Amino acid sequence: GAGVSQSPSNKVTEKGKDVELRCDPISGHTALYWYRQSLGQGLEFLIYFQGNSAPDKSGLPSDRFSAERTGGSVSTLTIQRTQQEDSAVYLCASSLIAGGVQETQYFGPGTRLLVL
Amino acid sequence: QKEVEQNSGPLSVPEGAIASLNCTYSDRGSQSFFWYRQYSGKSPELIMSIYSNGDKEDGRFTAQLNKASQYVSLLIRDSQPSDSATYLCAVESGYSTLTFGKGTMLLVSP
Repeated sequence: GAGVSQSPSNKVTEKGKDVELRCDPISGHTALYWYRQSLGQGLEFLIYFQGNSAPDKSGLPSDRFSAERTGGSVSTLTIQRTQQEDSAVYLCASSLIAGGVQETQYFGPGTRLLVL
Repeated sequence: QKEVEQNSGPLSVPEGAIASLNCTYSDRGSQSFFWYRQYSGKSPELIMSIYSNGDKEDGRFTAQLNKASQYVSLLIRDSQPSDSATYLCAVESGYSTLTFGKGTMLLVSP
């Protein structure tokens, strides 16, 4: 079956512009996660969606970052007024949640964002 | 602040040797533990998951969990050059999220 897909695969933008990153999770997965990975660094949690519950936004680094998930499926991460420090790989993952237990998260290929 | 600690490496082993990767975590209540492999420029892919104390074997890989000591390890037997990658330890952080370590780089020389 199809895995997690993300688009675009690469994005180059100018400082101050807004960008939108898209994630299409595995069909049937109720949980969706966004992470950021800077060069040589670990995965930084950004936001988590689970079903119809309010998202866990505790990892968003500033109010320039927002995300939505429409219809419990596709998610869009928006970064407003981009800064050079926003340059990173943005990874999306999805998983099943079974009885409140964290199941395996499956990652998409990522979007490589470069802010000039 | 829930933390997951890994030695950044690189851990260098010769082909055919056993590679041992370690991880400690701070949240005593964590119940789910995962090892991911990440090749340079690629996204993480699951190697092993473990939920109970003890060992779990899958092919050349063995995950070991000790909740009392709050550590989880990954052993790779008969290491191959294709195993060269960064290995990420991930620990369930409550509310169905994971906290990732920064990863250990493994280099397997032919």
